Amino acid sequence: GAGVSQSPRYKVAKRGQDVALRCDPISGHVSLFWYQQALGQGPEFLTYFQNEAQLDKSGLPSDRFFAERPEGSVSTLKIQRTQQEDSAVYLCASSLGQGGGYTFGSGTRLTVV
Amino acid sequence: AQRVTQPEKLLSVFKGAPVELKCNYSYSGSPELFWYVQYSRQRLQLLLRHISRESIKGFTADLNKGETSFHLKKPFAQEEDSAMYYCALSGLKAGTALIFGKGTTLSVSS
Repeated sequence: GAGVSQSPRYKVAKRGQDVALRCDPISGHVSLFWYQQALGQGPEFLTYFQNEAQLDKSGLPSDRFFAERPEGSVSTLKIQRTQQEDSAVYLCASSLGQGGGYTFGSGTRLTVV
Repeated sequence: AQRVTQPEKLLSVFKGAPVELKCNYSYSGSPELFWYVQYSRQRLQLLLRHISRESIKGFTADLNKGETSFHLKKPFAQEEDSAMYYCALSGLKAGTALIFGKGTTLSVSS
């Protein structure tokens, strides 16, 4: 596609509910990142994929967070048993593999009530 | 510790005035520095990176390794420059995550 596509744009979840957030990166982009952006903060790193391999998941805040990219293209970030502190915008970014100049998606705004 | 600091949460200037958005960083090694911008209701997008040494939309930023700074400057602000600006750094190795500052809101009024 022309850009990084994320869905849904907005998600309201009841506390304790599981959610799945989707990222469709630019075709051919090897690197894929997930970031979490809380209100009033800059994006914070969650996890990194190179093709289908999850090379860094050091930013995932708890074992309730899980990400996958099984075929090296579309990625899903899953949050189990959502808590209020999970409320944030979740951003996906992809690149050809070179450092830094990533293309970001519009994000998914998750609100846990 | 790896950190990006943007000391100003909000910067308000008049149209035509010079703008300087401050960014200081802490990193062990040689990082790559970036400025990202987010206009209202739009996605985060790359404005410039220090290795390209480009001027985008009249903005420039010089990496000062001695002061560990990467301030963003524009000589004459325009109303369309109003946006949220994030300074970020990453390692030089491909796949290194970006570390962002908390951002500065630039408001340009006429």
